[in-house]
Amino acid sequence: GQSLEQPSEVTAVEGAIVQINCTYQTSGFYGLSWYQQHDGGAPTFLSYNALDGLEETGRFSSFLSRSDSYGYLLLQELQMKDSASYFCAVRPRRSNDYKLSFGAGTTVTVRA
Amino acid sequence: DAGVTQSPTHLIKTRGQHVTLRCSPISGHKSVSWYQQVLGQGPQFIFQYYEKEERGRGNFPDRFSARQFPNYSSELNVNALLLGDSALYLCASSRGGGGDGYTFGSGTRLTVV
Repeated sequence: GQSLEQPSEVTAVEGAIVQINCTYQTSGFYGLSWYQQHDGGAPTFLSYNALDGLEETGRFSSFLSRSDSYGYLLLQELQMKDSASYFCAVRPRRSNDYKLSFGAGTTVTVRA
Repeated sequence: DAGVTQSPTHLIKTRGQHVTLRCSPISGHKSVSWYQQVLGQGPQFIFQYYEKEERGRGNFPDRFSARQFPNYSSELNVNALLLGDSALYLCASSRGGGGDGYTFGSGTRLTVV
């Protein structure tokens, strides 16, 4: 099965940098995804790491290390609008299984 | 382009009733997945349909069922509602069956009283 662990809450000030870690126990997966969700609205796709290493998309970066069973999402130059919940997710490498397994989410609060 | 649309946005039902939730995927997307999100938790996979065939089913009781129509829209049905079924039900669409880059709808907030 899959188990993804994330910190429950992170608080930071505007302009700061926040790193959200995601550690996982899974028998195999295709890649690590990150989603953002504001106040119970639609989760929005942020980033995907199919391979080990760093992926950069504007102020957001994501990292994956399969050997360490670990990934992270890095939020730079924090803005008030970044206050949201962030979820890591994996798609298990099983035949005909296309589900995403999500972590419980990290609530990021950005203070002025 | 319209995103993933779900209806209704909010719903209140009584225990034991039946509910049908609807989802229209992005135009050109053939895969629809359903997720249940309880407050404070991540989304939990319920079903995936691709080209009108069920491709995956999560650990939910048989009270939950779904189908996909020829136009790729989908319905999620839940029978004999329980209080614990109160949650945000999310629909996600993608072009293929893969799990990266899903587009989610804003969900249906179901409250069972």
